[in-house]
Amino acid sequence: NAGVTQTPKFQVLKTGQSMTLQCAQDMNHEYMSWYRQDPGMGLRLIHYSVGAGITDQGEVPNGYNVSRSTTEDFPLRLLSAAPSQTSVYFCASSYGGTSTEAFFGQGTRLTVV
Amino acid sequence: GENVEQHPSTLSVQEGDSAVIKCTYSDSASNYFPWYKQELGKRPQLIIDIRSNVGEKKDQRIAVTLNKTAKHFSLHITETQPEDSAVYFCAASNAGNMLTFGGGTRLMVKP
Repeated sequence: NAGVTQTPKFQVLKTGQSMTLQCAQDMNHEYMSWYRQDPGMGLRLIHYSVGAGITDQGEVPNGYNVSRSTTEDFPLRLLSAAPSQTSVYFCASSYGGTSTEAFFGQGTRLTVV
Repeated sequence: GENVEQHPSTLSVQEGDSAVIKCTYSDSASNYFPWYKQELGKRPQLIIDIRSNVGEKKDQRIAVTLNKTAKHFSLHITETQPEDSAVYFCAASNAGNMLTFGGGTRLMVKP
């Protein structure tokens, strides 16, 4: 089991560029989510999915899109990168239902210049 | 939505002492309260969790207590060791929702 795999680990973008952060899990988890972590702060929820074909917004969704076409994959798209999106992004997955452990990917450190 | 407050933001203890981190939450429907440890440059990893039908849970040197009436829960680490140094996050959720995290506590254990 690889668990939750994120790519890339590091990325530098210019303002206005778009890109997709990849997230894949091999644990057959229904729930997947994206968080951003800014220096000295906790993790804030961007978008989440409770199953293939179902997505919803979290606390800070503006500037990001998601889709969930398969159980395994949950990509996060930055539509037009801004310096305020400089952050570390974590993808997480869990079985779902009544409160189970969330497993995190290794993170993607994104810098927007 | 849920709001989780965590205190203190920084905690420095001597090796062997105990450390206590406290969190409060706002949504009375929340029923799951995990604690994550994050070492520098690494991903958060679950160290202990508690559900709303339990008041206390212990795992070796780590324990968590939950007071549903007051809507607060705490992490207790006894006999701290240098390898306990990390950032600790509390979180809260209810069935069907994702985790809402506190702002984190940087724990430093001095040898």
